[in-house]
Amino acid sequence: QQQVKQSPQSLIVQKGGIPIINCAYENTAFDYFPWYQQFPGKGPALLIAIRPDVSEKKEGRFTISFNKSAKQFSLHIMDSQPGDSATYFCAASLSGTGANNLFFGTGTRLTVIP
Amino acid sequence: GAVVSQHPSRVICKSGTSVKIECRSLDFQATTMFWYRQFPKQSLMLMATSNEGSKATYEQGVEKDKFLINHASLTLSTLTVTSAHPEDSSFYICSATTLNYGYTFGSGTRLTVV
Repeated sequence: QQQVKQSPQSLIVQKGGIPIINCAYENTAFDYFPWYQQFPGKGPALLIAIRPDVSEKKEGRFTISFNKSAKQFSLHIMDSQPGDSATYFCAASLSGTGANNLFFGTGTRLTVIP
Repeated sequence: GAVVSQHPSRVICKSGTSVKIECRSLDFQATTMFWYRQFPKQSLMLMATSNEGSKATYEQGVEKDKFLINHASLTLSTLTVTSAHPEDSSFYICSATTLNYGYTFGSGTRLTVV
């Protein structure tokens, strides 16, 4: 059973556009929702994370929107750049302290066209 | 910030030989380390969870005798792929976690078995 569902599978936007990636989760006990960026041949790098007590979090050009009642969260990338072309993974876990596993979404391959 | 060093980044080995991959937390003590496997264009698949000084917990379907995990200290975990076969070729990623820094990923190891 896929604990975290992610869409779309791939996304192409023009430079300056705002790609939006969506995730939905099943387990209402999850309370830590990070987004990771992965370049080919590299490990995932944390972009931004949110906990369910807030509905939105911004860090630089990256924004997470969180809807607890719908069990959904999304990543928005403002003013996207070709350097943002990568695969993005959403994830969820219990507590976020590191003691529990991260459940990953299936990933979204983003291409930003110059 | 937290840094996790993973070595080697790439390794090619002959079928039937064993390969060891190291994962070190450089500036923090990791309470838990996770090992993942990633196939091309797919998400991270959890293989096992390890805590210092105790046996690793393997996910269903992962052969513990084939993928040996040793977590000898709070800063070092190793994954040994024993009697490697071409189907073991994959991208292996470790994650070290701590209460303060959450999840930090290594840069991954590309294993090719010929």
